[in-house]
Amino acid sequence: EPEVTQTPSHQVTQMGQEVILRCVPISNHLYFYWYRQILGQKVEFLVSFYNNEISEKSEIFDDQFSVERPDGSNFTLKIRSTKLEDSAMYFCASSEVPGEPNVLTFGAGSRLTVL
Amino acid sequence: RKEVEQDPGPFNVPEGATVAFNCTYSNSASQSFFWYRQDCRKEPKLLMSVYSSGNEDGRFTAQLNRASQYISLLIRDSKLSDSATYLCVVNSQAGTALIFGKGTTLSVSS
Repeated sequence: EPEVTQTPSHQVTQMGQEVILRCVPISNHLYFYWYRQILGQKVEFLVSFYNNEISEKSEIFDDQFSVERPDGSNFTLKIRSTKLEDSAMYFCASSEVPGEPNVLTFGAGSRLTVL
Repeated sequence: RKEVEQDPGPFNVPEGATVAFNCTYSNSASQSFFWYRQDCRKEPKLLMSVYSSGNEDGRFTAQLNRASQYISLLIRDSKLSDSATYLCVVNSQAGTALIFGKGTTLSVSS
């Protein structure tokens, strides 16, 4: 079964450091997403990406965040200067097209701990 | 009003029980509706899409009431393996993203 893969599975960083989380979406999928889940809270939408540009972003996705598809397979989330409150599980997801229904497949997540 | 609201539970039921979860959503223009399941510290996984006419997948039945902006999930004959958090999900205002409720936790015991 095709899957979304994410690296690293866990990253510990110091406050103020830059972090890059990587994702390899399912190969025939065209839409890519980042979500985050702070421990004990809900899964929150960050950004969606299609055709090499951001389609939609939430209020959480401020100037500290950026996304990129540097090659034909990877999709990355960069946090420029991490804060304590960025500690969360970050999930990458992909979908074929945002049609009806728009089914997202999630990766296993990257746990970010900011000290 | 929150975009997607769910009763957080937890729902503690014995094996074989029938349990129902409810969800309300605020965006009347939403077109896509789902139930996802999330196990502890794992990624969300699609349980089932929800269609206007209601749909069933084995022991799971989903219903949608667009007028009331209400979605439900019924689980019959609960199994121990059904223990998880059930997430109600609808598409965003702009349509490209999915918005998650906080989830309802189910614990099935023997």
